[in-house]
Amino acid sequence: GAGVSQSPSNKVTEKGKDVELRCDPISGHTALYWYRQSLGQGLEFLIYFQGNSAPDKSGLPSDRFSAERTGGSVSTLTIQRTQQEDSAVYLCASSLGTGLLNEKLFFGSGTQLSVL
Amino acid sequence: TQLLEQSPQFLSIQEGENLTVYCNSSSVFSSLQWYRQEPGEGPVLLVTVVTGGEVKKLKRLTFQFGDARKDSSLHITAAQPGDTGLYLCAGATDSWGKLQFGAGTQVVVTP
Repeated sequence: GAGVSQSPSNKVTEKGKDVELRCDPISGHTALYWYRQSLGQGLEFLIYFQGNSAPDKSGLPSDRFSAERTGGSVSTLTIQRTQQEDSAVYLCASSLGTGLLNEKLFFGSGTQLSVL
Repeated sequence: TQLLEQSPQFLSIQEGENLTVYCNSSSVFSSLQWYRQEPGEGPVLLVTVVTGGEVKKLKRLTFQFGDARKDSSLHITAAQPGDTGLYLCAGATDSWGKLQFGAGTQVVVTP
């Protein structure tokens, strides 16, 4: 597709269950980002992948959160033992990865996660 | 804790009126971006400003980056219902990937 694709668009889970969220970036984009947006809040940085470099995981809120990017393309964000406070929209973005100040991020539509 | 403070949080105006949204911080940013987000969608980039004092115009939208690169404003002239959305500012500091976002300003333009 032409844009960043995220799946599922909605996920309802029970507290304590694990969930996996998927992101397909734009073809050719070497940089991939995960953000979280809670109701009424701005976007919170989670993790950033750039090419083959080690990811910047400094935004992951706890060790229940992990992410990987296979083959420099698709990324999966995994949340283990979900808690109610994990409920939010999880947004993925990709960019060319030039590192220039005018780098343009393209966001997917997000996954709305609801933990009951 | 928000590094970037946006004001106001909510703005409701009539079609044809002007509006200004502010984005302030005590931190210096190497660049600052403005996004618009509509319900159920991800944010869409409107503009990037990189030079202190820079002014960029995008049709009826005017963006300004403060001289000290700590603040920015977005001014919309003759607002239209299609301008309705959540406006977010985001700043880059030491690491490009870790954009810091403000909480957003919800703008509603009624016909």
